[in-house]
Amino acid sequence: DAMVIQNPRYQVTQFGKPVTLSCSQTLNHNVMYWYQQKSSQAPKLLFHYYDKDFNNEADTPDNFQSRRPNTSFCFLDIRSPGLGDAAMYLCATSRGQPSNQPQHFGDGTRLSIL
Amino acid sequence: AQSVTQLGSHVSVSEGALVLLRCNYSSSVPPYLFWYVQYPNQGLQLLLKYTTGATLVKGINGFEAEFKKSETSFHLTKPSAHMSDAAEYFCAVSGGSGGYQKVTFGIGTKLQVIP
Repeated sequence: DAMVIQNPRYQVTQFGKPVTLSCSQTLNHNVMYWYQQKSSQAPKLLFHYYDKDFNNEADTPDNFQSRRPNTSFCFLDIRSPGLGDAAMYLCATSRGQPSNQPQHFGDGTRLSIL
Repeated sequence: AQSVTQLGSHVSVSEGALVLLRCNYSSSVPPYLFWYVQYPNQGLQLLLKYTTGATLVKGINGFEAEFKKSETSFHLTKPSAHMSDAAEYFCAVSGGSGGYQKVTFGIGTKLQVIP
């Protein structure tokens, strides 16, 4: 089945230690998104790639960066995680056209900061 | 600009009872509307969507929603709740242009089903 896969499902890191979360997709979708979701809150969009074009949300901290080396893979890098960055991180994909296409989500990576 | 309001962050229903989860939206362009479900420690899964055409939309697991433009609403219903429906439900609106859809999610409604 075509899908969005996130690895790892659970990640523990130390305060200030860089961490990378990964996402891969077999849907061949143009757009890939990274969301942060804290407990009992809506997913908050951090950034997205439309093909190779990177789009950062205005309120995404500089501590968060992303890479998309090819269509299938996208990475979220947190350079110096703080306690406030503990959350579920969701990757999603969608077709770029038409714009009414739904997003397909991975199962997320739950990040804990020690 | 677009926004979503979900009334009731927690809803409890008895097994077999009607499920009604409320969603109101605002959008400066004709909206595309979505309901997603999220089970614990999982990602969001699309339940149903409204883009154009028929205003009553049927989705998976027996859910349906009706787009009411005059009321700017897109409430989610299911005639008879099952225990397996216990989850968090997110209403979302998009109205992006140029091939990219920026989606705005509501805060979510956690549905509890009581045996």
